[in-house]
Amino acid sequence: AQSVTQLGSHVSVSEGALVLLRCNYSSSVPPYLFWYVQYPNQGLQLLLKYTTGATLVKGINGFEAEFKKSETSFHLTKPSAHMSDAAEYFCAVSALEYGNKLVFGAGTILRVKS
Amino acid sequence: GAVVSQHPSRVICKSGTSVKIECRSLDFQATTMFWYRQFPKQSLMLMATSNEGSKATYEQGVEKDKFLINHASLTLSTLTVTSAHPEDSSFYICSATTSGVYNEQFFGPGTRLTVL
Repeated sequence: AQSVTQLGSHVSVSEGALVLLRCNYSSSVPPYLFWYVQYPNQGLQLLLKYTTGATLVKGINGFEAEFKKSETSFHLTKPSAHMSDAAEYFCAVSALEYGNKLVFGAGTILRVKS
Repeated sequence: GAVVSQHPSRVICKSGTSVKIECRSLDFQATTMFWYRQFPKQSLMLMATSNEGSKATYEQGVEKDKFLINHASLTLSTLTVTSAHPEDSSFYICSATTSGVYNEQFFGPGTRLTVL
């Protein structure tokens, strides 16, 4: 079975500070891993994804994430937060054996202070 | 590319009525579409998976007679909430994917349903 745990339902950082949003997963097969961002009353926008290959993946808006199999983690980072990064972020996992279904974490709301 | 639209974006209806939500893939053919619901301050929960031309597969606990899904073409899936009640009020989001080894899901903007 798959599951996704996002540590911290709310994260607050100052503008210009490092952003770190944590995601741990459990999967019995090699997973595909995703980070999505959601602004209020909008759908989900893909930030980045890991499927195969390089474990450090770069996404849009300066975000990146590293797949660490030994730690079953896929934490999302950004070196310098911007006010426009304030949103809710969802980590998700998928595996072909599960019919390509996405299982989402509970989400982390990022607040950026000026 | 890979744009998914939903219509309507917001709908308010009276209890007991039915509401239809459309999900369209605008620039690609979607062999599979997914329907999710999201309650306030919660994550997305998969309701059902629909493949073009076949019956939808519902997740455990989702009433198939209440949430009717039709995927009549490769670019359109509809979700009909029948006899809606206030507890059906939620944010409904669809996603669409193409065939292939790795199938990225492209999400629609969501539909806010409020049942009075």
